[in-house]
Amino acid sequence: DADVTQTPRNRITKTGKRIMLECSQTKGHDRMYWYRQDPGLGLRLIYYSFDVKDINKGEISDGYSVSRQAQAKFSLSLESAIPNQTALYFCATSDPGYGEKLFFGSGTQLSVL
Amino acid sequence: GQQVMQIPQYQHVQEGEDFTTYCNSSTTLSNIQWYKQRPGGHPVFLIQLVKSGEVKKQKRLTFQFGEAKKNSSLHITATQTTDVGTYFCAGPPATDSWGKLQFGAGTQVVVTP
Repeated sequence: DADVTQTPRNRITKTGKRIMLECSQTKGHDRMYWYRQDPGLGLRLIYYSFDVKDINKGEISDGYSVSRQAQAKFSLSLESAIPNQTALYFCATSDPGYGEKLFFGSGTQLSVL
Repeated sequence: GQQVMQIPQYQHVQEGEDFTTYCNSSTTLSNIQWYKQRPGGHPVFLIQLVKSGEVKKQKRLTFQFGEAKKNSSLHITATQTTDVGTYFCAGPPATDSWGKLQFGAGTQVVVTP
């Protein structure tokens, strides 16, 4: 949905570099998520946040950190990128009033060389 | 931990044919959601099923939630080229206070004209 915007769309970086992926939303949802997609593995949850003061680890948080700067902004950082972090990353939002269905951004394709 | 399996992983369909894709969870789910991801796109919510045995239809798509709330199916009739994409099921465990969605690996659908 255009209401969830991810930047950059594509990024190539080198091993050991710090990189930040950004997500902003205009849907007014409190809940935001970062997922990683690898071929054949579906979508795996990295971190999630229910509000600005609430951040939780997902199933694959090692090597990642997040920051919830505001209700509308949720960024994902790779402190020291490694090649197996090459993947498609999605930000998503949800609202309990909509049955927790997820609204995804367009994704960031990250390649770590 | 909870596992969600989808079969088949790949589905090649002749245009006009019907097919079914299946989703099986190792644990009871509170609900099941289905998403569709077009090639190069992001996952888009299709439907949510909540009740045991529930069946919902969207035009040529029929979704079913099993009686034990551990499995689901998506049946597409008269497949069209617009059905191309990867279909994901996702569900939160019934035992979680907040149900983190566990995604299956998806069924990639290719349609031959």
